[in-house]
Amino acid sequence: AQSVTQPDIHITVSEGASLELRCNYSYGATPYLFWYVQSPGQGLQLLLKYFSGDTLVQGIKGFEAEFKRSQSSFNLRKPSVHWSDAAEYFCAVGARGGSNYKLTFGKGTLLTVNP
Amino acid sequence: DVKVTQSSRYLVKRTGEKVFLECVQDMDHENMFWYRQDPGLGLRLIYFSYDVKMKEKGDIPEGYSVSREKKERFSLILESASTNQTSMYLCASRRSHGHQPQHFGDGTRLSIL
Repeated sequence: AQSVTQPDIHITVSEGASLELRCNYSYGATPYLFWYVQSPGQGLQLLLKYFSGDTLVQGIKGFEAEFKRSQSSFNLRKPSVHWSDAAEYFCAVGARGGSNYKLTFGKGTLLTVNP
Repeated sequence: DVKVTQSSRYLVKRTGEKVFLECVQDMDHENMFWYRQDPGLGLRLIYFSYDVKMKEKGDIPEGYSVSREKKERFSLILESASTNQTSMYLCASRRSHGHQPQHFGDGTRLSIL
């Protein structure tokens, strides 16, 4: 079964600083990988996804993520954080094949942005 | 854009009541999902429907049932609500073909008193 670990429960950065949120997954083959963002009181919004091909994936709101097979990682990055990026971020892994509908989510990383 | 609409943002019910949470999507998606989200536990899948009248248990189905009579609507039912079902409930949908992501509604925060 697949699993996802987001090692950082809470991260605080200053506005304008760079950001990296960590995600490690466990899966027997190359997985589908996703990053979602959840603003307070809202549902989850898809930031970006990786299925195959180029391991550096561009998403919305200036975010990118890099798939590293050797490290089983899919870290999310942004070069310059804005105050509106304060939210909770979830990494998710999806299986290939018969159960490809199922997503397994990490427990999330809460991002605080200081002015 | 995909629109997934959950009928209530906030709901307060009493122990023992039968509770219905409704979810509607407007993109003709085959797959629909119900999750609950709790602090420190992340998102956990309750039930999944891969098409009309089709359903499959997720990781935590106990105390819940679902109904999918029409493609656009997926209902979650708490047969006899209990306080440990107080939570945020999230509905999602996706197209079944290809490598499609799930699209989420805004959630229903349910309190059982």
